Formats: sequence, C-alpha cells, structure tokens
Amino acid sequence: KNEVEQSPQNLTAQEGEFITINCSYSVGISALHWLQQHPGGGIVSLFMLSSGKKKHGRLIATINIQEKHSSLHITASHPRDSAVYICADNNSGGSNYKLTFGKGTLLTVNP
Amino acid sequence: SAVISQKPSRDICQRGTSLTIQCQVDSQVTMMFWYRQQPGQSLTLIATANQGSEATYESGFVIDKFPISRPNLTFSTLTVSNMSPEDSSIYLCSVLVPRYEQYFGPGTRLTVT
Repeated sequence: KNEVEQSPQNLTAQEGEFITINCSYSVGISALHWLQQHPGGGIVSLFMLSSGKKKHGRLIATINIQEKHSSLHITASHPRDSAVYICADNNSGGSNYKLTFGKGTLLTVNP
Repeated sequence: SAVISQKPSRDICQRGTSLTIQCQVDSQVTMMFWYRQQPGQSLTLIATANQGSEATYESGFVIDKFPISRPNLTFSTLTVSNMSPEDSSIYLCSVLVPRYEQYFGPGTRLTVT
C-alpha cells in the first residue's frame, strides 16, 4: 500500500526565512504533486514533477526517485505564503491517475 | 491548464437534508473527480465522474449516499444525501489534464448541524 509522509506537520517561520518541507513515499510513482491549500479550503497545484527540479518564482521543488523523496523549498518567505502544503503522488491502487495524499504541512510565516 | 468553479462555496445544512454541489470547468476534460476532506484529515477520493455513464466509487463510498451526475465534459454534480454531522467536510472536484496534471476547484465547505 502506498503511503505518503510529510514533515514537519507544523512549521512557523519569520518573514524572509528559507523554508523546506519534506515528502517521502513508499512505492514507485509516475509523478509527485505539490499543492497549496488556503484557509478557505481551495487547492492550488504548485508543481507536478517526475524527476529533477522545478522552479516557479520563490518556490522550488525537487525529487529524488531513488530515495523516494521530494522537497518543497520557499525562498524569502512571506506571510502570504502561510497555508497548508500537501504532497501527493500518482500511482496508487494500480491506477496511475489516482492520487495518494500526505496529511499536509501547516506553514505560518510571521511578519 | 483548467479553471474550475464550484457552487456553493459553503453551506450550513440540517441533518437529514441533501445538498447538491456543482463543478464547472472552462474546457472539456475526460476525467473529473470528487474528493472529501474531513476536518484535520487529508483528501480522500470519493469517486470518478464518468461522462455518460455511472460514476466509479471508491471503497467506502456508495451511490445512494453520494449520487454523481456528469452530463457533459465540462460539468458535474455531487449530491450529499441524508446528511449527518459526520458529512461536515470540504468537498472538492478536480480534473485531469494531459500528462497527469490535476487541477482542483476552490472547494465547498459543508457544515451539517
């Protein structure tokens, strides 16, 4: 059974700090997703990656397929980055479009 | 990419009633999904909404409780029937676009009293 583990569960940072959120998964995947959930509940897809590294603005996502591990980095964090960050992978239950979700990391960035 | 809207954005309902949630996509998509997120929990897939045929439900979810319609490639509804407080959750629809990217709607926050 595929499991997705995130750490830390909660993270508090000061504005400007460099943030790292980690994600580990247990079985081979076709892709890993990083999602951002705002307090209202809506979810935004940040990245989908299957190898290497992707960058979008101050956000960077990396994945190591051999180690079954991915990280999300936020440079120069800002209070508006405060949200729940969720990683999820494809390839659960034999259907590679279904996602298995981590429990999320609650990030709070203080001014 | 895909832009998804959901209605209503939130609702407070009484026990025993039903609520229908609408999901509209700005482009035609083959695969559309409905998820539930209970308080403090991660997302759980309820079902895959199939256009022109019955939805495919995940283990633990049944059509009588969560009937789904998918009349065309841009629209779907999820009904939460005979609600109880345990149904209080955020309900999200998502769509799959080529190369396995998924886009999510803004969610419907349901509270059952």
